[in-house]
Amino acid sequence: SQQGEEDPQALSIQEGENATMNCSYKTSINNLQWYRQNSGRGLVHLILIRSNEREKHSGRLRVTLDTSKKSSSLLITASRAADTASYFCATEAGGYNKLIFGAGTRLAVHP
Amino acid sequence: EPEVTQTPSHQVTQMGQEVILRCVPISNHLYFYWYRQILGQKVEFLVSFYNNEISEKSEIFDDQFSVERPDGSNFTLKIRSTKLEDSAMYFCANSLQETQYFGPGTRLLVL
Repeated sequence: SQQGEEDPQALSIQEGENATMNCSYKTSINNLQWYRQNSGRGLVHLILIRSNEREKHSGRLRVTLDTSKKSSSLLITASRAADTASYFCATEAGGYNKLIFGAGTRLAVHP
Repeated sequence: EPEVTQTPSHQVTQMGQEVILRCVPISNHLYFYWYRQILGQKVEFLVSFYNNEISEKSEIFDDQFSVERPDGSNFTLKIRSTKLEDSAMYFCANSLQETQYFGPGTRLLVL
């Protein structure tokens, strides 16, 4: 089964605007993690939210988790051109297990 | 901040050849993973490794793949007889707790 599906697939905004990306998953999880990937590069960990948490902040990032709907959102406020990248959610079912990644959202922030 | 490193950054090989991808994890991390990302597709889990043995592997991780920590620090992924469809970016990751830290990846091209 697929896990961690993001929408939208692509998002294009202007600098200063907020960007919201959503992620849905199908099975129970221990935590959900968001990663950023610049074109052809490695994955950079952004934020982790545990299944017993509903919201978390880190700088300009805000993540929410709704376990009843099996969904999460990543909000980037006051976006910058440097935020241009692909963003992936990844779920972990527990026990330091594998991460299951979604297909990602390609974010383009225009100056 | 400690980082995960991977070598080589790029590798081109002929079909049927063996390749070894190397990773130097963050020194006190205990859990090790390999993932791959075929161009334009999701990041896929290959294998997890803890306490010098495989803890989980995916369907992709068949008999042509193997992992080891030859000297207690480096973590390697060997592909015994490469196929065209093995062309992908291969990421090493490691963790101490839930957060997985990824290396920059090795781009493997099988011709």
